[in-house]
Amino acid sequence: SYDLTQPPSVSVSPGQTATITCSGDKLGNKFTSWYQQKPGQSPVLVIYQDDKRPSGIPERFSGSNSEDTATLTVSGTQAMDEAVYYCQAWDSRTAHYVFGTGTQVTVL
Amino acid sequence: QLQESGPGLVKPSETLSLTCTVSGDSSTSSIHYWGWIRQPPGKGLESIGSIYFTGNTYYNPSLRSRVTISVDTSKNHFSLSLTSVTAADTALYFCVRHEYQAAFDIWGQGTMVTVS
Repeated sequence: SYDLTQPPSVSVSPGQTATITCSGDKLGNKFTSWYQQKPGQSPVLVIYQDDKRPSGIPERFSGSNSEDTATLTVSGTQAMDEAVYYCQAWDSRTAHYVFGTGTQVTVL
Repeated sequence: QLQESGPGLVKPSETLSLTCTVSGDSSTSSIHYWGWIRQPPGKGLESIGSIYFTGNTYYNPSLRSRVTISVDTSKNHFSLSLTSVTAADTALYFCVRHEYQAAFDIWGQGTMVTVS
């Protein structure tokens, strides 16, 4: 099976930059999406096709993807950005979606 | 919008059945697929599978033997059936919308199903 690995947690001070990685074999050859999930809420799409932001998502969210690692960057992190973030990609070999293990972002 | 519905409690070995009602869009959309995602308590997200309005489906290989996703275009809803459930199937179940091999752009609020 295709696995996507994320760090369990990332801590960041308000106003600083949070960087969340997602690692998978040749992930750079796939489109990666990122979701934000706050407690008790459904996930929200924040990045799709590696680096595109859906309407309504703040510009401080950005993404990149190269070789084996996709990265979600939150610039000028705010308290409201505290959440669990999941990466996701399509595994063409097994024809289904795979999610990363999730990263808890804590704004200290 | 998407809204899940169905029993919140299912007995072991029985079949879990959920429905997702689509509003503000059509289940016969030519560009959208309709899918199911689940999340066990305190754990991460797992894709279950998706369906196109023509009936074309694809499923998570780990669940394929027990899963059926169907669509009723006349009622503008799609459904999930998961057979022979165990406690491991206890989870929050979300329905989602997406384009082919693309991101899940719309999520339902989720419905909790407990197997006990």
